[in-house]
Amino acid sequence: EAQVTQNPRYLITVTGKKLTVTCSQNMNHEYMSWYRQDPGLGLRQIYYSMNVEVTDKGDVPEGYKVSRKEKRNFPLILESPSPNQTSLYFCASSSWRVAFFGQGTRLTVV
Amino acid sequence: DQQVKQNSPSLSVQEGRISILNCDYTNSMFDYFLWYKKYPAEGPTFLISISSIKDKNEDGRFTVFLNKSAKHLSLHIVPSQPGDSAVYFCAASEGNNQGGKLIFGQGTELSVKP
Repeated sequence: EAQVTQNPRYLITVTGKKLTVTCSQNMNHEYMSWYRQDPGLGLRQIYYSMNVEVTDKGDVPEGYKVSRKEKRNFPLILESPSPNQTSLYFCASSSWRVAFFGQGTRLTVV
Repeated sequence: DQQVKQNSPSLSVQEGRISILNCDYTNSMFDYFLWYKKYPAEGPTFLISISSIKDKNEDGRFTVFLNKSAKHLSLHIVPSQPGDSAVYFCAASEGNNQGGKLIFGQGTELSVKP
């Protein structure tokens, strides 16, 4: 089954404690991205990757890092999480302008 | 500045009637538009799309209309069913971004009542 898998689904952490949200896709897509969803703002792109070792900032990259060492994986890293990063996060992989999303990670930073 | 706007946060319709969800955009460089459906605790799922060279695209009960001069698109669901109750996001992209980046509206929560 074609899918995008994120882990964990839910995470509560404390300010400043580094965390990683993993994302994996099995569709062999070159383009992958991370979005965050906040009330009244829809989904906003954080970072994207056009291929292995090629990453770039989206619209809201501050406080986040990504890496793309393998085509299927695109982890999101928060080096020092802050409460304003409390949000719902979605990983996506894209095929010709259509994005396919994972199930989401609800992150709470206290 | 919000380039894609869905001005109705919520919509309630009776089962069997038509649901019309609206979306406006400001960037004239957008040339591809999509609708996504999202259930609670799930990721958005792709529903239907339309290229700017068309003004209508139909898939079963779902039809998307594009009015480029008004920078407006709409999603029609006919007939509406209780299982259609979800949040609907419209999204847009430009042709020069190599196919990836989507700009989303705020979403409209549709409730279809039996």
